[in-house]
Amino acid sequence: ETGVTQTPRHLVMGMTNKKSLKCEQHLGHNAMYWYKQSAKKPLELMFVYSLEERVENNSVPSRFSPECPNSSHLFLHLHTLQPEDSALYLCASSQDLSGTNYNEQFFGPGTRLTVL
Amino acid sequence: KQEVTQIPAALSVPEGENLVLNCSFTDSAIYNLQWFRQDPGKGLTSLLLIQSSQREQTSGRLNASLDKSSGRSTLYIAASQPGDSATYLCAVRGQGGSEKLVFGKGTKLTVNP
Repeated sequence: ETGVTQTPRHLVMGMTNKKSLKCEQHLGHNAMYWYKQSAKKPLELMFVYSLEERVENNSVPSRFSPECPNSSHLFLHLHTLQPEDSALYLCASSQDLSGTNYNEQFFGPGTRLTVL
Repeated sequence: KQEVTQIPAALSVPEGENLVLNCSFTDSAIYNLQWFRQDPGKGLTSLLLIQSSQREQTSGRLNASLDKSSGRSTLYIAASQPGDSATYLCAVRGQGGSEKLVFGKGTKLTVNP
């Protein structure tokens, strides 16, 4: 596979469930990102990881828990979510966090999450 | 706080027409600006990235311009095709080393055959 992949593509869960979203990048990048896209709202950055270290956390509720075991994989662990958390969750990667043109971000196809 | 606005929110044109999508941002201290395309229920595809020192970038039928001082960018699509139908998103990255991309809400383009 090439580029950025995300699994599952669709997920329906109850408010008491625990689930995880997975992202994998095959681009040799060092930085990875989680974004949330809700209906009729701009994309919102949730988390940024660089070389497996979290460098940004945009006031995201603790029911979302990211994990970056290595530079190619990024997870988003979900527990006790609310219906308003239903959205498209997008993963992205970039070469690194330096101020160069390599910072162009490449996105995965997203996971459509529905919380009942 | 940076805010990005895209006008119009939706646009419908006949095939073959040339069109312009607009993006404006409130803080001109940006590092770069990126245009993306998003198909329904899908992820984002990067179209063009313009560094703050550049005025425009071209890729095929697409041309993006940047006027940093006025806080504006345009995406010009020549000879539009039905396959161009998608939502087009504009995003800016601020200066100072932050990797945060601030996105607009997008323009939904429909090209009718």
